Amino acid sequence: GNSVTQMEGPVTLSEEAFLTINCTYTATGYPSLFWYVQYPGEGLQLLLKATKADDKGSNKGFEATYRKETTSFHLEKGSVQVSDSAVYFCALSDRFLEDDKIIFGKGTRLHILP
Amino acid sequence: GAVVSQHPSWVICKSGTSVKIECRSLDFQATTMFWYRQFPKQSLMLMATSNEGSKATYEQGVEKDKFLINHASLTLSTLTVTSAHPEDSSFYICSATSDSRFQETQYFGPGTRLLVL
Repeated sequence: GNSVTQMEGPVTLSEEAFLTINCTYTATGYPSLFWYVQYPGEGLQLLLKATKADDKGSNKGFEATYRKETTSFHLEKGSVQVSDSAVYFCALSDRFLEDDKIIFGKGTRLHILP
Repeated sequence: GAVVSQHPSWVICKSGTSVKIECRSLDFQATTMFWYRQFPKQSLMLMATSNEGSKATYEQGVEKDKFLINHASLTLSTLTVTSAHPEDSSFYICSATSDSRFQETQYFGPGTRLLVL
């Protein structure tokens, strides 16, 4: 079945550091891939998505490229800010299956130190 | 790890009827639960935030009279879709956290698929 694996946290970085949060997936079909972010005290928000191989999703300085050859969708940001402190969830949804429900990774907590 | 269940997993109903979906935290006390909706082939949309013992906070554009949320205990939140119509057909997911300050992660339920005929 479909699954998502992402690196465990917490991840602690200094402000302006480079960020990578790894995410790999297993899917039987042709999934869409997502990164969601949960800021303290709030619900999930869609951060970015990619719907096919080699697509790059980007938003708020974050990027992730859909790599079918490595079944990965790693989240990157060149220079993080304190305001990026949050929990990040990688997810997939298989667009061509009857059951297209979204499947989440376990989340990675990110702490950015000033 | 913590487990969150939803019931039912599948529901088919006639237009105009009401449907109740339960979200339970099985091995922890959930101070906060979230309700999400996934439109077909699309990403999740946050509908509301539910805190035990208080009224839910709805996101902009979500009709609170149509999607009634009750968080009566630390282990149970319910979402009632009132007078359901075909456009309410969707996949509804809840998540729960034991920490109101969100120092702990949230756990997702398996989802409930609603089909309104």
